[in-house]
Amino acid sequence: DGGITQSPKYLFRKEGQNVTLSCEQNLNHDAMYWYRQDPGQGLRLIYYSQIVNDFQKGDIAEGYSVSREKKESFPLTVTSAQKNPTAFYLCASADSPNEKLFFGSGTQLSVL
Amino acid sequence: EDKVVQSPLSLVVHEGDTVTLNCSYEVTNFRSLLWYKQEKKAPTFLFMLTSSGIEKKSGRLSSILDKKELSSILNITATQTGDSAIYLCAMDYSGGGADGLTFGKGTHLIIQP
Repeated sequence: DGGITQSPKYLFRKEGQNVTLSCEQNLNHDAMYWYRQDPGQGLRLIYYSQIVNDFQKGDIAEGYSVSREKKESFPLTVTSAQKNPTAFYLCASADSPNEKLFFGSGTQLSVL
Repeated sequence: EDKVVQSPLSLVVHEGDTVTLNCSYEVTNFRSLLWYKQEKKAPTFLFMLTSSGIEKKSGRLSSILDKKELSSILNITATQTGDSAIYLCAMDYSGGGADGLTFGKGTHLIIQP
């Protein structure tokens, strides 16, 4: 089945630690996105990538980093510089930029 | 300032009722408006509305785009408990780059039996 797989479902971060959230898609989509969802805040864009080896900052990129070495994969690293990382993180992909997004099932990140 | 504003933010109705969810946007150079349903984790796509497709319907759900009023409504008739979810409205507009969609905060809909 085609789709987007995010892992892990739940992740705990210790203070000062970097953690990486995985996002893999087999839809052959060029565009991939990371959103953060906080209660009552809707979805906010962290980073996006239109093509392999290229990515752009979204609205709330500070404290996060990404890579796009393969078309299928767009991992997100939450660095120690992100002081309030507790949130639900959603990865999405689209056939081309600004087409409808397909979402993964998300990763809930919490701080220990 | 929010570009996409949804109302109400939460709504509780009884099974069988009809509900109308609202979404307004603040740019005039928009390309499309999308509705998503988020039940637990992954938002699932409902409708995309564009200048060439301002009304969509699927079963008990329908949506209309009012370009003059810069808004859209999502109607759900004969609601069922399975309609309980967060409904997200999102907008794509030219000049926003290829940076995905701009989302509203969502309407949390609860259908009571």
